[in-house]
Amino acid sequence: EAQVTQNPRYLITVTGKKLTVTCSQNMNHEYMSWYRQDPGLGLRQIYYSMNVEVTDKGDVPEGYKVSRKEKRNFPLILESPSPNQTSLYFCASSLQGGVNTEAFFGQGTRLTVV
Amino acid sequence: SQQGEEDPQALSIQEGENATMNCSYKTSINNLQWYRQNSGRGLVHLILIRSNEREKHSGRLRVTLDTSKKSSSLLITASRAADTASYFCATAARDYKLSFGAGTTVTVRA
Repeated sequence: EAQVTQNPRYLITVTGKKLTVTCSQNMNHEYMSWYRQDPGLGLRQIYYSMNVEVTDKGDVPEGYKVSRKEKRNFPLILESPSPNQTSLYFCASSLQGGVNTEAFFGQGTRLTVV
Repeated sequence: SQQGEEDPQALSIQEGENATMNCSYKTSINNLQWYRQNSGRGLVHLILIRSNEREKHSGRLRVTLDTSKKSSSLLITASRAADTASYFCATAARDYKLSFGAGTTVTVRA
């Protein structure tokens, strides 16, 4: 089954404690991205990757890091989480970014930073 | 940056009625897509309409695109309780990036 898998689904952590949210897709997609969703703001892109070892900042990259060492995986790293990073996070993948292809989303990771 | 903006923010209708929501955007696009999100879950792709298309259908969904007005509409006909969800438009420009609006929350009453 074609899918994007994120882990964990729920996470409560303390300020400053490094964490990683994993994302994996099984569709051999080139393009992967991370979004955060906050009430009233919709989805905002954090980082994206157009292929292995190619990553770039989205609209709200501050406080986040990513890596793309393999095509299927695109982890999101918070080196020193802060309460304003409490949000619902989504990983997405698509064949070619937004160019005439649909995006597949993971089930989301609800992060709370206290 | 938020490219698309949906209107209305929320919509409540009776089962069997039609639901219409609109999306406006600011800059030129390659295509526009609509997604559905059930309460706190991942987004699911509904339909994609290219910039050179004016109307597209998929089951009970009808999407229109007016590039001169930079707007799109999503019509759900004969709504069902299972259509209760948030609906987002997303625009794709030449930079391959999808930009989402804040969404329309649709509640279908039994």
